[in-house]
Amino acid sequence: ETGVTQSPTHLIKTRGQQVTLRCSSQSGHNTVSWYQQALGQGPQFIFQYYREEENGRGNFPPRFSGLQFPNYSSELNVNALELDDSALYLCASSLDRSYSPLHFGNGTRLTVT
Amino acid sequence: TQLLEQSPQFLSIQEGENLTVYCNSSSVFSSLQWYRQEPGEGPVLLVTVVTGGEVKKLKRLTFQFGDARKDSSLHITAAQPGDTGLYLCAGARTGGFKTIFGAGTRLFVKA
Repeated sequence: ETGVTQSPTHLIKTRGQQVTLRCSSQSGHNTVSWYQQALGQGPQFIFQYYREEENGRGNFPPRFSGLQFPNYSSELNVNALELDDSALYLCASSLDRSYSPLHFGNGTRLTVT
Repeated sequence: TQLLEQSPQFLSIQEGENLTVYCNSSSVFSSLQWYRQEPGEGPVLLVTVVTGGEVKKLKRLTFQFGDARKDSSLHITAAQPGDTGLYLCAGARTGGFKTIFGAGTRLFVKA
């Protein structure tokens, strides 16, 4: 059973640039959730995708967008990067969109300078 | 304001001591989960509790869900250095679609 993998592991970008983060779900999982974790904080919910459609969104501006593909892998796109976007971005897959446990990848550490 | 409040925020103890960390909310949750996160890694699920008053044990870890399903606790007996990490509680509210997290309790166990 393949776990959740994220790429890249680290990324440095300049304010105003755009970034795409990628996630491969655990085998058999059709739901992906993305979280932002600032240093010393718990993960904050960005959005969730279920069978290629956005299933819900947290308090993040529209410049945070996502995609889920037919194989249930996913992307997180962030436009017009700001310094406060520096954080660990976590992808988690789950069996379905109900309250099944989240299986996390090890995250992408994004630094915006 | 965090929907899930965890306390304490930080705990440093000696190997062999016992400890309890708390997760509290004013909202009712259909289930609560506890995760442990180590540096450079994503959170890993420890347990899910779904029934009010439920108690689950995982070796030296005991998890309890409050009767009203608004709070939970994690008790560790005879802590070991390998227990060091960030402990996160997370919940799914009835009728909701997302799992929300508390800010975590950072535990350091000294040998």
